[in-house]
Amino acid sequence: AQKVTQAQTEISVVEKEDVTLDCVYETRDTTYYLFWYKQPPSGELVFLIRRNSFDEQNEISGRYSWNFQKSTSSFNFTITASQVVDSAVYFCALSEDQGDSNYQLIWGAGTKLIIKP
Amino acid sequence: NAGVTQTPKFRVLKTGQSMTLLCAQDMNHEYMYWYRQDPGMGLRLIHYSVGEGTTAKGEVPDGYNVSRLKKQNFLLGLESAAPSQTSVYFCASSRQGYQETQYFGPGTRLLVL
Repeated sequence: AQKVTQAQTEISVVEKEDVTLDCVYETRDTTYYLFWYKQPPSGELVFLIRRNSFDEQNEISGRYSWNFQKSTSSFNFTITASQVVDSAVYFCALSEDQGDSNYQLIWGAGTKLIIKP
Repeated sequence: NAGVTQTPKFRVLKTGQSMTLLCAQDMNHEYMYWYRQDPGMGLRLIHYSVGEGTTAKGEVPDGYNVSRLKKQNFLLGLESAAPSQTSVYFCASSRQGYQETQYFGPGTRLLVL
């Protein structure tokens, strides 16, 4: 069965520290997609990245980077030189083709990131 | 582009009352979704639609109904609200199916007393 595990319920770091949020997934499919979303205290859900299962290249976007490793079924997210504005709940999610339009995005429970000034 | 919008932003209901939440998207997306988010939890899919005139059940459909009469709108109805339906409701849309990114509305906070 598909599953997404974000084992870190809450992480607290001091501003400017680097922090990594872990995401481990389970799937039987060879074709799947992984996502990260950010939910700041204001409550909206902001899309950060989408990665398909055939692209294992790491991605960097400014202070954000993602490490996708199929061998360990992980899609970890690192924030470099964290800032107070990075404080949010971060969700990892998995999607795969379930056929017949039976579509569902599988969500992790989220990691609450607190950046202290 | 407004993206995905939701109406209302906040609502208080008494047990047994009914209401409809409206979701609208201006991105010409085929797929639309309704989720609920309870404190400290991830999102759970209530219902979804793969195109105008179609709807399907998600993970937690009981107590809710939906309609997709127009491509850009997806309505979520509560016929007889219960305190267990107190939650934040998010609507989302995507171009097609599982391979596409879902874009979310700002959420509707519902309190059922």
